[in-house]
Amino acid sequence: AQSVAQPEDQVNVAEGNPLTVKCTYSVSGNPYLFWYVQYPNRGLQFLLKYITGDNLVKGSYGFEAEFNKSQTSFHLKKPSALVSDSALYFCAVRPYSGAGSYQLTFGKGTKLSVIP
Amino acid sequence: DAGVTQSPTHLIKTRGQQVTLRCSPKSGHDTVSWYQQALGQGPQFIFQYYEEEERQRGNFPDRFSGHQFPNYSSELNVNALLLGDSALYLCASSPSGGARTDTQYFGPGTRLTVL
Repeated sequence: AQSVAQPEDQVNVAEGNPLTVKCTYSVSGNPYLFWYVQYPNRGLQFLLKYITGDNLVKGSYGFEAEFNKSQTSFHLKKPSALVSDSALYFCAVRPYSGAGSYQLTFGKGTKLSVIP
Repeated sequence: DAGVTQSPTHLIKTRGQQVTLRCSPKSGHDTVSWYQQALGQGPQFIFQYYEEEERQRGNFPDRFSGHQFPNYSSELNVNALLLGDSALYLCASSPSGGARTDTQYFGPGTRLTVL
């Protein structure tokens, strides 16, 4: 069965500084990896995904993520944080094939706070 | 272009009752997945519907059931409600039969409170 770990419940960063939200995964075979953001009392909004190819994936609102197969990680990054980036961030994984391949398995989420 | 819509927004029920939640997928999408998000947790997969059939199911009891209609909209039914069923219920839609590379797009959710 697949799983996702987001080791930090909360990340605080000053506005204008770079931010990183960490994610590691466990899955049989090749993974499909996703990042979503959730604002208070809202559904999940898609940011970016890794399917195959270049390990650095660029997404919405200036976010990017780096896939590292050897470390089974998919960390979310942004060069310069904005106060409006403050939200709850979820990493998710799907296996390439086999059992559970249609479902997204999510981490517990990381609350990002950008301090003015 | 409307995104994924869900109704109702909020719902309050008592233990033992039954509830039906509704979802309309994004235009052009034919696959619907349902997730349960408890407070402070990540979403947990309930099941996915494609071609009006349940294609995959997560680790949820039979009290949770669903349906997909010919227009691709979907319902989630929960019978014999328990206090632990209180959560945000999210619907997600995807195109192309829900191919594994597809992105799932989420609706705003239905907040269910069981008293």
